[in-house]
Amino acid sequence: GEDVEQSLFLSVREGDSSVINCTYTDSSSTYLYWYKQEPGAGLQLLTYIFSNMDMKQDQRLTVLLNKKDKHLSLRIADTQTGDSAIYFCAESSDGGFKTIFGAGTRLFVKA
Amino acid sequence: DAGVIQSPRHEVTEMGQEVTLRCKPISGHDYLFWYRQTMMRGLELLIYFNNNVPIDDSGMPEDRFSAKMPNASFSTLKIQPSEPRDSAVYFCASSFGTGGSGYTFGSGTRLTVV
Repeated sequence: GEDVEQSLFLSVREGDSSVINCTYTDSSSTYLYWYKQEPGAGLQLLTYIFSNMDMKQDQRLTVLLNKKDKHLSLRIADTQTGDSAIYFCAESSDGGFKTIFGAGTRLFVKA
Repeated sequence: DAGVIQSPRHEVTEMGQEVTLRCKPISGHDYLFWYRQTMMRGLELLIYFNNNVPIDDSGMPEDRFSAKMPNASFSTLKIQPSEPRDSAVYFCASSFGTGGSGYTFGSGTRLTVV
């Protein structure tokens, strides 16, 4: 079945850029998402990209999609301590409605 | 809109008791999802509804779990009887249309079965 994989932990210094990577297996993925989960809260949609795009920028966030390699990344510029959270990569495919989530990457930001 | 509202936020119950979790989706959203999150298994989709009709319940772990959506503004997830391995955070999420714009999640219910 479809799968989404991402590394479990990432640690960066405040002010540096963070890059969180994700790979997925479903070649028919149409939408790819990044969600953020802060402690004690639900997941919050950060950004999403259509599969016919290769890049999307939204303020400090840059999403890169390599459809050939089924690789998605999220870059956070000028990372702040408030960015410390778990980041989930997710995908859904055309015609289907289920969204498949990765296990989440826990981002630690050191002051 | 107040977002997706879940209640209670925390629930502690004894093994064997019935537990009911509640969710109010965003008004106008036609899809509703129930997820379970644990450290070991991550996020698991339990069931989802479209226009109040259950579409896929293949993620419901066993017959002890049931979910209903009697109207567009309310859904319940019931566990009867509850077991310690059901301890997890249960999330409700809703969305509109084909889901391309993503889901809106509630804050979750942390269930502890002792």
